[in-house]
Amino acid sequence: EAGVAQSPRYKIIEKRQSVAFWCNPISGHATLYWYQQILGQGPKLLIQFQNNGVVDDSQLPKDRFSAERLKGVDSTLKIQPAKLEDSAVYLCASSSDRGGYTFGSGTRLTVV
Amino acid sequence: EDKVVQSPLSLVVHEGDTVTLNCSYEVTNFRSLLWYKQEKKAPTFLFMLTSSGIEKKSGRLSSILDKKELFSILNITATQTGDSAIYLCAVRPNNAGNMLTFGGGTRLMVKP
Repeated sequence: EAGVAQSPRYKIIEKRQSVAFWCNPISGHATLYWYQQILGQGPKLLIQFQNNGVVDDSQLPKDRFSAERLKGVDSTLKIQPAKLEDSAVYLCASSSDRGGYTFGSGTRLTVV
Repeated sequence: EDKVVQSPLSLVVHEGDTVTLNCSYEVTNFRSLLWYKQEKKAPTFLFMLTSSGIEKKSGRLSSILDKKELFSILNITATQTGDSAIYLCAVRPNNAGNMLTFGGGTRLMVKP
């Protein structure tokens, strides 16, 4: 079974620029999550999709962050404009109806 | 709001030592508690605990849950340098969202 794929692996941008991350979940997993992990902290949920609908985006800073999951498969997370405090690892995860939960390798974002 | 607290924040031991990592939680409508090991970016699954008092074991790692006192411990015996990582504890509620709430992690360093 192929894992959760994420790209890019690393990204360095200047503050106020925009950036986008991509995630391809495990085939057949209906639920997709984006987590933000700031250095020294545990992952924090940003948004959860069930198929192509949003289940929970209560912790997503909607003034600068947006996410979509067209066709209920791949997902993109965008930050525009980026701030220094957005420097973190962005983890994508997917889960099946039975609850199996798998993380991707993440994208490390550095905002300078 | 669900809450997970891990202790200690960090730990330095020598090879062969035994370590105990702690996780306490507050969650509405508990479903399960999960332990992950994070070496670089992607957290990798270790254990899922749903019932009190039943030890889960995998090689030198073991974990147990106490649903009355709302905590779990992760034990690692005969530690090796390869055990150096961040250990994350997360709780999953019993609702349709299925999202995980993570603790801040314990950073373990095992010295030769």
